Amino acid sequence: GIQVEQSPPDLILQEGANSTLRCNFSDSVNNLQWFHQNPWGQLINLFYIPSGTKQNGRLSATTVATERYSLLYISSSQTTDSGVYFCAVGVSGTYKYIFGTGTRLKVLA
Amino acid sequence: SQTIHQWPATLVQPVGSPLSLECTVEGTSNPNLYWYRQAAGRGLQLLFYSVGIGQISSEVPQNLSASRPQDRQFILSSKKLLLSDSGFYLCAWSPSTSEQYFGPGTRLTVT
Repeated sequence: GIQVEQSPPDLILQEGANSTLRCNFSDSVNNLQWFHQNPWGQLINLFYIPSGTKQNGRLSATTVATERYSLLYISSSQTTDSGVYFCAVGVSGTYKYIFGTGTRLKVLA
Repeated sequence: SQTIHQWPATLVQPVGSPLSLECTVEGTSNPNLYWYRQAAGRGLQLLFYSVGIGQISSEVPQNLSASRPQDRQFILSSKKLLLSDSGFYLCAWSPSTSEQYFGPGTRLTVT
């Protein structure tokens, strides 16, 4: 089955720093999402981005489906950005979604 | 607007007891519905999904089952819980093969 790998697995930043999170997938997909899981476990939708580039405030994302990867950019990080970031891909020809391994981010004040 | 509910929020159950977790969606019709499990410090594992009433696809053979008795209701069950069933259970819905939206989750501890 399709494999979804995220890097880095862990990341520690000082407040105000920028970061790039990566999501690689091993097969073609019909959609891709980025989520932030807060300390209470809630999964917050960040981007629905099967291809192209989107921006929302300090966050932006780019998916290059032909090369099977997506990037999430966080600029001017804040302590509230801490948590786990997941990408999830929709498996082509199905209604299934597969989650990546996650990146655990900690932003220090 | 659409909302998704899960209950209970937390649950502590002894080994061998039954389980029933419920998920309901409001404000949409014929959604695709999903159950995921997240072990402590781990990623999300897809357990079941459903594209219509009575239609259940199982992704991982295990001690759990799912049912969809109504269009916007998805139930996760077990006849006898195992210690390994402990985890954070998340329900999600999607209008089709597009964006997923998650409920608040149920934390299950099997003792």
